[in-house]
Amino acid sequence: GAVVSQHPSWVICKSGTSVKIECRSLDFQATTMFWYRQFPKQSLMLMATSNEGSKATYEQGVEKDKFLINHASLTLSTLTVTSAHPEDSSFYICSAYILSGEKFGPGTRLTVL
Amino acid sequence: AQTVTQSQPEMSVQEAETVTLSCTYDTSESDYYLFWYKQPPSRQMILVIRQEAYKQQNATENRFSVNFQKAAKSFSLKISDSQLGDAAMYFCAYRSGGATNKLIFGTGTLLAVQP
Repeated sequence: GAVVSQHPSWVICKSGTSVKIECRSLDFQATTMFWYRQFPKQSLMLMATSNEGSKATYEQGVEKDKFLINHASLTLSTLTVTSAHPEDSSFYICSAYILSGEKFGPGTRLTVL
Repeated sequence: AQTVTQSQPEMSVQEAETVTLSCTYDTSESDYYLFWYKQPPSRQMILVIRQEAYKQQNATENRFSVNFQKAAKSFSLKISDSQLGDAAMYFCAYRSGGATNKLIFGTGTLLAVQP
């Protein structure tokens, strides 16, 4: 149980376009989800905390207008990277809060050309 | 602010041997949780083990066990009978005792398992 999925797993886009990444809790309801960014051989960097029905809480230094987060239901949170640029290329991971810790999605690799 | 430190960027162990990964943390809170996560080459984060700060007994999960020293703020992970599938990046993480507080990760230790 407690499976989190992400879609897509890999996306390539052109510079200037927007990309939406979905994070779903498949067999449980997630009031709180988290979005992370991970560069190669580095730790996870928390970008924002996504709460169902309310605005996301962004970490310091994360542009909220560039990384739009929507948590419209108890099973879905989305991250939209707006006007993507090559420096936004990274591995994006979502997670959902559960009592025993966090359950992580498999991640999305974003490449911006 | 809470911090998590993993001082071993890389470790290596022979198959079937035992290895210990170090983690220290800094906090002024009394209610918190500590975790070890494994990230294999697939990059899927997998929970290895969890420890509640109020529990004195060290958590164990099959071949994985922790040495939780609360006064020293140390939380090491011991992997016994290492297997090739244990090769991965291991992250130590801290979370405050609040219901939905965020995880604070260490920088990770890359574990190689030699056949």
